Parts: sequence; structure tokens; C-alpha cells
Amino acid sequence: QVQLQESGPGLVKPSETLSLTCTVSDDSISSYYWSWIRQPPGKGLELIGYIHYSGSTNYNPSLKSRVAISMDTSKNQFSLKLSSVTAADTAVYYCAKLIRSSGYFDYWGQGTLVTVSS
Amino acid sequence: SYELTQPPSVSVSPGQTASITCSGDKLGDKYACWYQQKPGQSPVVVMYEDSRRPSGIPERFSGSNSGNTATLTISGTQAMDEAAYYCQAWDSSTAVFGTGTKVTVL
Repeated sequence: QVQLQESGPGLVKPSETLSLTCTVSDDSISSYYWSWIRQPPGKGLELIGYIHYSGSTNYNPSLKSRVAISMDTSKNQFSLKLSSVTAADTAVYYCAKLIRSSGYFDYWGQGTLVTVSS
Repeated sequence: SYELTQPPSVSVSPGQTASITCSGDKLGDKYACWYQQKPGQSPVVVMYEDSRRPSGIPERFSGSNSGNTATLTISGTQAMDEAAYYCQAWDSSTAVFGTGTKVTVL
């Protein structure tokens, strides 16, 4: 069973860069697509973006100017950077495996709450 | 941008059928999938490609998609089905999630 685990700071100051890493177990990120999704407290889900094992990326147009997703195959990890954060970026951030051919997110991490506050 | 609209809440009695709708422009031309999210937990996919159930999802979950509406149906609803449900489809290269529906089993 694939396992994903998010890690990173739980508190980020406004205008700074949010950085998270997702460690994948029992699967290789050198296949499929890997994604970041967020959920503000009490609200719905929003795709941030995803990365293919080839290194190609796709970002939500609403966040594209501030987002970068990368991967480190040697560590079986992929990462998220979101710059110039504001309080509106406060959310639970999930990493998830994307089955692009069928269009659904198969396995999810447990999520990590990131609060943007000074 | 593409939008998927769901009713905020649906109430159902145990053993009865719950239907959750998801509306979007020409949604029937796309594949829809559905996630169940219980409080404090990560979403779990319960339906993909409109009507396919992942391994381990009970048969009481079924799905359809036509026209502008996708529907997730829970037959013989159980207390354990109480959760938020989100639909999801693709708009070009971006996954779009529905607004979410809270299913309450009374």
C-alpha cells in the first residue's frame, strides 16, 4: 500500500515562502504523477499542481505565478514551494498520487496544516 | 474558470438512498470522480470514471454522469457513510473539485 507523508513548517510568515516535502513509501515516484492539493479550514479542496516523473509540471492557473513543484528521485520525494504567502494560503496541504489516465487522486497523505501568520 | 456545484447538504435516514449531485457545464463530456472525507481525515476516492468503484469501496456506492450533472448514489446508507463528499473533473490540465456536500445520516 502506497504511503505519502507531508513534512515542513507549520507556521510561515506573510510574504515568505511555504516549503513542504512529500515522502513516498512502497511506490516509486519514477512513475505516475504526484500532486499537491490544499484545503482551507472548513472549506473545499483545491489542486495546487502536479509533477510527472519526467519532470514536467502543471499548475493551477490561479496559483501558477507563485508555485514550484520539484522531485528528488534519489530520496523518493517531491516538494512544493509557494511564494509570497498571505493568510489566504492557510490550509491543510495534502500530497497525493494522481492516476492521470483516469483522472483521480488515488492515495493521499494525512495532510499538514500550514498557518500563515506573523 | 470551470466550476462544479454541489448542494451543501443532504440528509438521509439509515437504510435509505442518498443522491448527491454535481453540476458543471457539459460535465457529461468529461469523467467525474468522487471523494469521501470524514472529519479530520484525508479524502478517499469512492468513484472514478463516472461509475467505477475502486477496490474496497462497498457496492452500495454507484455513480452516473450525463448532460451537465454527475450523481453519486449511496443505496442502503449506513451511519458510517456520514461524511463530506466532493466531486472532481478536469478542465484542460487542471483538476477542479466541487463545492462539497455534507451527508448526514439521521
